[in-house]
Amino acid sequence: QKEVEQNSGPLSVPEGAIASLNCTYSDRGSQSFFWYRQYSGKSPELIMSIYSNGDKEDGRFTAQLNKASQYVSLLIRDSQPSDSATYLCAALNNNAGNMLTFGGGTRLMVKP
Amino acid sequence: DAGVIQSPRHEVTEMGQEVTLRCKPISGHNSLFWYRQTMMRGLELLIYFNNNVPIDDSGMPEDRFSAKMPNASFSTLKIQPSEPRDSAVYFCASARTGGWFGYTFGSGTRLTVV
Repeated sequence: QKEVEQNSGPLSVPEGAIASLNCTYSDRGSQSFFWYRQYSGKSPELIMSIYSNGDKEDGRFTAQLNKASQYVSLLIRDSQPSDSATYLCAALNNNAGNMLTFGGGTRLMVKP
Repeated sequence: DAGVIQSPRHEVTEMGQEVTLRCKPISGHNSLFWYRQTMMRGLELLIYFNNNVPIDDSGMPEDRFSAKMPNASFSTLKIQPSEPRDSAVYFCASARTGGWFGYTFGSGTRLTVV
């Protein structure tokens, strides 16, 4: 069974710190990876995508991918209370249909 | 673009009643997905369509659940008869063919079966 694993948290960080969210996946055929943010009572919102090994930066967010280790991470710099949410990692294997496999999510709490 | 549109936003129904959830995907998106989310089980894929054709319905929990996509701009998820354990948030998502750019989720329907 293809899986995406995340620590459920909560991960608590002080305001202004770097939050590091991690994810591992079991399907070596996965080609694309996504991070979604979900506020309580809201729908998942796509915030980052990454397709190649290495880092991809977008504002305060950096996604990191290591296909050899089957590891994806999301760094949030200068964390703000408004970043408090659940972050879902997802992996896509286009050779197995175009279904995203989601992890269970990590709840992040940024304390003022 | 109005995004993925779901209706109703909230639904409260009595056990045994039929429930129909509706979804309008983003124009130009060829793939449509129905998810269910609960605290215990997280996001579960129920069924997905490519070009209006159901591709994988292995996540549909029982025969009480059915989904249709009569055209590229409309899909329904029906539960008949509904049971209290069906209470959850149901999300519809759409994507361009291949899903390379990820999915866009609708606002969801919060279903409560009493």
